[in-house]
Amino acid sequence: GAVVSQHPSWVICKSGTSVKIECRSLDFQATTMFWYRQFPKQSLMLMATSNEGSKATYEQGVEKDKFLINHASLTLSTLTVTSAHPEDSSFYICSASPLRADGETQYFGPGTRLLVL
Amino acid sequence: GNSVTQMEGPVTLSEEAFLTINCTYTATGYPSLFWYVQYPGEGLQLLLKATKADDKGSNKGFEATYRKETTSFHLEKGSVQVSDSAVYFCALTGSGSARQLTFGSGTQLTVLP
Repeated sequence: GAVVSQHPSWVICKSGTSVKIECRSLDFQATTMFWYRQFPKQSLMLMATSNEGSKATYEQGVEKDKFLINHASLTLSTLTVTSAHPEDSSFYICSASPLRADGETQYFGPGTRLLVL
Repeated sequence: GNSVTQMEGPVTLSEEAFLTINCTYTATGYPSLFWYVQYPGEGLQLLLKATKADDKGSNKGFEATYRKETTSFHLEKGSVQVSDSAVYFCALTGSGSARQLTFGSGTQLTVLP
């Protein structure tokens, strides 16, 4: 089946540093990748939608200069949390939509837990 | 905008009990409806989906019927197993090219032997 990986699976960093999270589709090409944020005991909130080779589309209230998204190839998207602060601590999840899917199919990565001290 | 309201958990059942997790939605147009499952330490997996009114999605003994008149998509299983313990998310995609998912808050299910 379609597999999406995320790296790292967890990261602890100091306030003010930047953290990069990678999302890879391992056995398929993805036209579109999505980035979500999940708070404890809450649902997934869509942060942004990225299409290969173009700028990401951010949801209302998500700072694009804070959360930099790069979708450089059909198998890789990265999310960089710049100048991280404790309130950025969360569980970040990506998903990927295959190139020739029905437009609704998304395969999810296992998530990256970020803790900012 | 679109929204999904899901039964709050946690839900704890004994093995072989009947499961219902309620889900209602608000959406414009004709959304597709989904149930995703998240097992401990894993990413979300699609459990089942329905793309139009009166469709029934089913998988692994789970079922849900797209009820437009009640804007609901309740998840059911006749006899749960310990291995069904997970978090279940109801979701929908609206119309439009982006097909973005809107999720409910998730329901933690624990099945005891």
